[in-house]
Amino acid sequence: LAKTTQPISMDSYEGQEVNITCSHNNIATNDYITWYQQFPSQGPRFIIQGYKTKVTNEVASLFIPADRKSSTLSLPRVSLSDTAVYYCLVGEGTGGFKTIFGAGTRLFVKA
Amino acid sequence: DSGVTQTPKHLITATGQRVTLRCSPRSGDLSVYWYQQSLDQGLQFLIQYYNGEERAKGNILERFSAQQFPDLHSELNLSSLELGDSALYFCASSVSGTSNYGYTFGSGTRLTVV
Repeated sequence: LAKTTQPISMDSYEGQEVNITCSHNNIATNDYITWYQQFPSQGPRFIIQGYKTKVTNEVASLFIPADRKSSTLSLPRVSLSDTAVYYCLVGEGTGGFKTIFGAGTRLFVKA
Repeated sequence: DSGVTQTPKHLITATGQRVTLRCSPRSGDLSVYWYQQSLDQGLQFLIQYYNGEERAKGNILERFSAQQFPDLHSELNLSSLELGDSALYFCASSVSGTSNYGYTFGSGTRLTVV
């Protein structure tokens, strides 16, 4: 299993850039790295996905080093509404049908 | 609206009872995944179906079972309910059988066992 390790929690202030790093030492060659956001009592929401280098969308950026053993989700200029739990997810590899969510990182954005 | 529909949204039942949770995947998605999330806990993978067939099992209790029907909707059956089964149950769907294309989650069913 491609186990992931993330910080349990992070605090930030509105307007700051937040970087959340995830370690996934056992990532398989065919695995993609996906990040989800979850608000209380709601289902997780897809944020961004990448395989290597850098991916950017309207919400976030994802940085993946060459060895792919870690990844960093970057949220530019966070607001109070970005307070949520962020999950890093790595597929189990080719034919991997079982994907394990870790404990996630609880981000708290303060005014 | 994510396109994944879960019903009912809320369910209150007594210990020992049996309930059925329903999930309709997003149009075009062939895989359905069930997750359990207890209070302040992470998402626990229960089971996955792909195009009607069971593909993977996680920490699913023997009292729980699921199936995916020809129209691709899925049902999660929970029997002999215990207080500890109270949780949010999420269904997710994806176009393929892997996570490599992302999941779309429904809004969940909140089960309360009293």
